[in-house]
Amino acid sequence: SQELEQSPQSLIVQEGKNLTINCTSSKTLYGLYWYKQKYGEGLIFLMMLQKGGEEKSHEKITAKLDEKKQQSSLHITASQPSHAGIYLCGAVNAGGTSYGKLTFGQGTILTVHP
Amino acid sequence: GAGVSQSPSNKVTEKGKDVELRCDPISGHTALYWYRQSLGQGLEFLIYFQGNSAPDKSGLPSDRFSAERTGGSVSTLTIQRTQQEDSAVYLCASSLGQFLSGNTIYFGEGSWLTVV
Repeated sequence: SQELEQSPQSLIVQEGKNLTINCTSSKTLYGLYWYKQKYGEGLIFLMMLQKGGEEKSHEKITAKLDEKKQQSSLHITASQPSHAGIYLCGAVNAGGTSYGKLTFGQGTILTVHP
Repeated sequence: GAGVSQSPSNKVTEKGKDVELRCDPISGHTALYWYRQSLGQGLEFLIYFQGNSAPDKSGLPSDRFSAERTGGSVSTLTIQRTQQEDSAVYLCASSLGQFLSGNTIYFGEGSWLTVV
């Protein structure tokens, strides 16, 4: 099944700084989801990418899927304390007996100091 | 409501008791997922329902775990003879159809289960 590795595992930045979180797959990504989770809460959908080279932005968050579709990055510009949380990437198995199953990376814990 | 609804939001149970966790997906969503998240751990896939197809139960950790989806809508996750290691947040998600059709997967707030 799909194996996803996120880096870094944790990140501490000063408010106003830019940062990037990476998600690398052992297999070709047929699509990738980015979610944010705050402690004690559910997952908040951020973005979904399907095509190689695709890039999407929402407010200060930009996500990209590389041309080979094996890596995605999430970039936050001018970070704010409200960006703090756990960022998770997820990908769906596109074949075999686990078709349709969504697998997640281990998550990146982001702390933003005011 | 407009989102995925889960109940109860919190459950404390004694070891050995059975528990049922409920998930109301977004209306019209044919795909439904259950995940488990233990403290400090990633999301662990449990089971996936898609329309009328046989569910993918490959993630259920033992035969104490089972799930049903009645009428293609509401789902119940049942844990029998609960153990302390079952303590976790149980998350439900739904989507309009399969991902490869470009459908977003939405998550509920989760059910916090504590086994004492």
